[in-house]
Amino acid sequence: NAGVTQTPKFQVLKTGQSMTLQCAQDMNHEYMSWYRQDPGMGLRLIHYSVGAGITDQGEVPNGYNVSRSTTEDFPLRLLSAAPSQTSVYFCASSKPDRGAGEQYFGPGTRLTVT
Amino acid sequence: LAKTTQPISMDSYEGQEVNITCSHNNIATNDYITWYQQFPSQGPRFIIQGYKTKVTNEVASLFIPADRKSSTLSLPRVSLSDTAVYYCLVGDIMNTGFQKLVFGTGTRLLVSP
Repeated sequence: NAGVTQTPKFQVLKTGQSMTLQCAQDMNHEYMSWYRQDPGMGLRLIHYSVGAGITDQGEVPNGYNVSRSTTEDFPLRLLSAAPSQTSVYFCASSKPDRGAGEQYFGPGTRLTVT
Repeated sequence: LAKTTQPISMDSYEGQEVNITCSHNNIATNDYITWYQQFPSQGPRFIIQGYKTKVTNEVASLFIPADRKSSTLSLPRVSLSDTAVYYCLVGDIMNTGFQKLVFGTGTRLLVSP
């Protein structure tokens, strides 16, 4: 199993550009989520999904869109990039479980917006 | 949100036992306590999860007192490779959803030779 994969690994955008961060998992996990991590900070939840066709907002959803058309894929779209969105983005997946559960994280995408 | 408080940083030496305490005074009845580990430039990795008393796996133990207002992650005989940031999360995805889970800033553990 490849686990959780994210592409690209690095990306530089200009202010106002849009792009999609890709996330895929091959573990047949129902839950998937997107986090961002700013330098020296913890992770903050952007959007999450509890199954195909079901998504919801997290703590910092503004400026981002998601969709979940398949169990495997959960892309994150930046609508109009801003310097404040410079961060490391992590995608995670997990089975339904009690507590926070055993979430499997991808390697991250490092995004810089100039 | 069930707010958690952890020490910002801890130092240890190889071979020692390390105990990281997390305070969560307003934990709810359905909440579990989960610990994650994060190395630089990597995503977090699940370590252990528990509801009450003691849980042990191959890498750590989790001690939860009866009032559940705090918890302690115990790492036996740490090595240099245990240098990482450790996060304590409190919540229950199946009951209250993802939004209640907060990673916070974690505890930065530095293990020296």
